[in-house]
Amino acid sequence: EVQLVETGGGLIQPGGSLRLSCAASDITVSNNYMAWVRQAPGKGLEWVSVIYTDDSSYYADSVKGRFTISRDNSKNTLYLQMSSLRADDTAIYYCARLYSSALTFDYWGQGTLVAVSS
Amino acid sequence: EIVMTQSPATLSVSPGERATLSCRASQNVNTNLAWYQQRPGQAPRLLIFGASTRATGIPARFSGSGSGTEFTLTISSLQSEDFAVYHCQQYNNWPLTFGPGTKVDIK
Repeated sequence: EVQLVETGGGLIQPGGSLRLSCAASDITVSNNYMAWVRQAPGKGLEWVSVIYTDDSSYYADSVKGRFTISRDNSKNTLYLQMSSLRADDTAIYYCARLYSSALTFDYWGQGTLVAVSS
Repeated sequence: EIVMTQSPATLSVSPGERATLSCRASQNVNTNLAWYQQRPGQAPRLLIFGASTRATGIPARFSGSGSGTEFTLTISSLQSEDFAVYHCQQYNNWPLTFGPGTKVDIK
């Protein structure tokens, strides 16, 4: 059974940095399109970033230049390095597999909460 | 960016009744439209892709229709586990965008 387990969330002050991790099992991160999707409290879902199998990566305009997606193939783990955090980055961050044939998110982690506040 | 809207924001339905949810795209997305279910405190779950194809393990009471800019998710006979928030997502253009969600609650 595919499992994605996010860790690394927490309370962080505005302007700070945080790194989220997503440990995968029964799915090889390097062989799949992997993404981060976030959900602000009481709000809808927002795609944040994706990394393709060829290592190319893309970002939502709202995080471009501040967030970096990466993976460690030896650990089968996806990361999201977040810097210059703002209050509007407060959200649950989900790791998800982006199904390459239909660009839909078919496997999700349970999410990790990032709260940006002073 | 394609903006997705959903209506109604909240739908109150009795168990066993039919629920019809709408999703609209600000421009043509063909049939590149997915639906997700999100129960309280849980991650979203893929229900439908290609506007009308059920994902693996999704019960037949869930059906999707539409193309272009207007889409519908129908739940034929609501079960207790179906009371949740439903999100639509277009994947015709980047960035991938979601609607704000429709909450289906118990009448």
